[in-house]
Amino acid sequence: SQTIHQWPATLVQPVGSPLSLECTVEGTSNPNLYWYRQAAGRGLQLLFYSVGIGQISSEVPQNLSASRPQDRQFILSSKKLLLSDSGFYLCALKGVRNTEAFFGQGTRLTVV
Amino acid sequence: AQKVTQAQTEISVVEKEDVTLDCVYETRDTTYYLFWYKQPPSGELVFLIRRNSFDEQNEISGRYSWNFQKSTSSFNFTITASQVVDSAVYFCALSRNTGGFKTIFGAGTRLFVKA
Repeated sequence: SQTIHQWPATLVQPVGSPLSLECTVEGTSNPNLYWYRQAAGRGLQLLFYSVGIGQISSEVPQNLSASRPQDRQFILSSKKLLLSDSGFYLCALKGVRNTEAFFGQGTRLTVV
Repeated sequence: AQKVTQAQTEISVVEKEDVTLDCVYETRDTTYYLFWYKQPPSGELVFLIRRNSFDEQNEISGRYSWNFQKSTSSFNFTITASQVVDSAVYFCALSRNTGGFKTIFGAGTRLFVKA
């Protein structure tokens, strides 16, 4: 079965510091991968998605970037965090068909 | 452009009441998928149901039921005899059949079920 690993679960970072959140998946090959952000009390905003190694599509202009160095690895990064980057970050995957998305446990990021 | 609207921000009911969560979507695609997810306080997203645009048959799963109507672009979710454990944020979502199968979420409806 498919599983998604996200870490860390919580993170507190100062403004201006770098960020690297990692998402790895198991039990599937060539998945579509997604990064979502949920601001406090808000809905989920799609940030990036990837249909394959090295292929990244950005949905909204922002202070973040994403990379997919391996088939089952999806990384969310920032060179300098802003206060507005605080939120709950979720990684998700879909298989080859347009099935439901499976979500990781999420990382709660607080920028102070 | 695709859009999902959940007009109800918060709903509060007393245990055993029935409650319906509304979802209205917009898309120009003829093939698309609709979903409902539950987000309990722990934060993880739990998949509840998936419907494709060609299947308007309503579905019932225990106390949960879904009403999909293409004529009104709605995909409403009803919980019968609500329980405290149903308290969560519920998201309606829409996915295209192209372009990476991106899933667009509504803003969510927070449901409080009081004992």
